[in-house]
Amino acid sequence: DAKTTQPNSMESNEEEPVHLPCNHSTISGTDYIHWYRQLPSQGPEYVIHGLTSNVNNRMASLAIAEDRKSSTLILHRATLRDAAVYYCILRDPLDSNYQLIWGAGTKLIIKP
Amino acid sequence: DVKVTQSSRYLVKRTGEKVFLECVQDMDHENMFWYRQDPGLGLRLIYFSYDVKMKEKGDIPEGYSVSREKKERFSLILESASTNQTSMYLCASSPRTERRSNYGYTFGSGTRLTVV
Repeated sequence: DAKTTQPNSMESNEEEPVHLPCNHSTISGTDYIHWYRQLPSQGPEYVIHGLTSNVNNRMASLAIAEDRKSSTLILHRATLRDAAVYYCILRDPLDSNYQLIWGAGTKLIIKP
Repeated sequence: DVKVTQSSRYLVKRTGEKVFLECVQDMDHENMFWYRQDPGLGLRLIYFSYDVKMKEKGDIPEGYSVSREKKERFSLILESASTNQTSMYLCASSPRTERRSNYGYTFGSGTRLTVV
């Protein structure tokens, strides 16, 4: 699986939008971009995923660059409950290796 | 609405004990995983299973074994617990990729194991 690069940490103010970047310059044509987050003392939870087009769901939006070498997770209005570690992961659904390769993620700090 | 359930939230065991960590999922997922998470080391895969009675080693299987006798249940076994196995253990499940073109992992809340 291709690797991703994320900043170690980011800070944002409550009720403001947050843009979490992820670089994946070696992404292959069949890799999906997945985002998970892990709240303190919890297991990771799925946030969103996409292939080429931008995606929206109730939790967040995913903006994917045209060349797919980077993506951005957008939290439109951050709350204190969004403070978590956010992981960007690439996954090829045709890959017989069932593993997800977890990086260090971005620790998001929300200031009240 | 809990879909992946880990039997214990916190466990304290003595060195040398045999420890069983249980995980049950109710989503009819084929794949199940055991990870451990340690500060600075992230999530590391111990074992995974893609079908009943099937298992594959992950990155750090030493000192662990697993059992999957039923589709919904995946057990992690520490044959003889040691202090370096003190960690947060996370169970996850996902559908088989061939059946669903894309999927997300669903994780349990984790078991924090302390070996003394």
